[in-house]
Amino acid sequence: GAVVSQHPSWVICKSGTSVKIECRSLDFQATTMFWYRQFPKQSLMLMATSNEGSKATYEQGVEKDKFLINHASLTLSTLTVTSAHPEDSSFYICSAREGGALETQYFGPGTRLLVL
Amino acid sequence: AQSVTQLDSQVPVFEEAPVELRCNYSSSVSVYLFWYVQYPNQGLQLLLKYLSGSTLVKGINGFEAEFNKSQTSFHLRKPSVHISDTAEYFCAVSEGYSTLTFGKGTMLLVSP
Repeated sequence: GAVVSQHPSWVICKSGTSVKIECRSLDFQATTMFWYRQFPKQSLMLMATSNEGSKATYEQGVEKDKFLINHASLTLSTLTVTSAHPEDSSFYICSAREGGALETQYFGPGTRLLVL
Repeated sequence: AQSVTQLDSQVPVFEEAPVELRCNYSSSVSVYLFWYVQYPNQGLQLLLKYLSGSTLVKGINGFEAEFNKSQTSFHLRKPSVHISDTAEYFCAVSEGYSTLTFGKGTMLLVSP
């Protein structure tokens, strides 16, 4: 089946630094990638949707200057948390979809970010 | 706007017993419905999905779900659970070409 990887699986950083998380579709071309955030014991909240080669579409309340998303190729999207603060600590999950909206989203294993 | 309600935050059950995880949705248009499973410290894995056709959908690991339009429900069932089914289960809905909206999840706890 389709596989989506994320790197790193976990990261600890100091407050004020930036962290980049990579999301890769390993065996298919992802025309659309999604970034979610999951707080403990809560559901996934969609942060943004990105299509290859175009700017990401952010959900209401998500700061685009804080969470920079780049989808430069059909197999790679990156999320950069800029000037991270402790409240940004969370579980970040990406997903990728090969075709249209009826196609399945395949999820990565997630990246746990802890900001000290 | 679409929304998903999973009424049970936790469902404890003994091994080999049947289980039903409830999911209700609200939407003003036709929807597509999904169940995902999340094992500890892992990403989500698709269990099954309803796009159209038969209202009874069979998925992986012996799970099935039934779409009930009149009750706006998409409950997940398994006739006999295993210890390995212990995980968080998320119901999700998509309206047409929009994005997925997830419920808050139900933790299935299977005991021997």
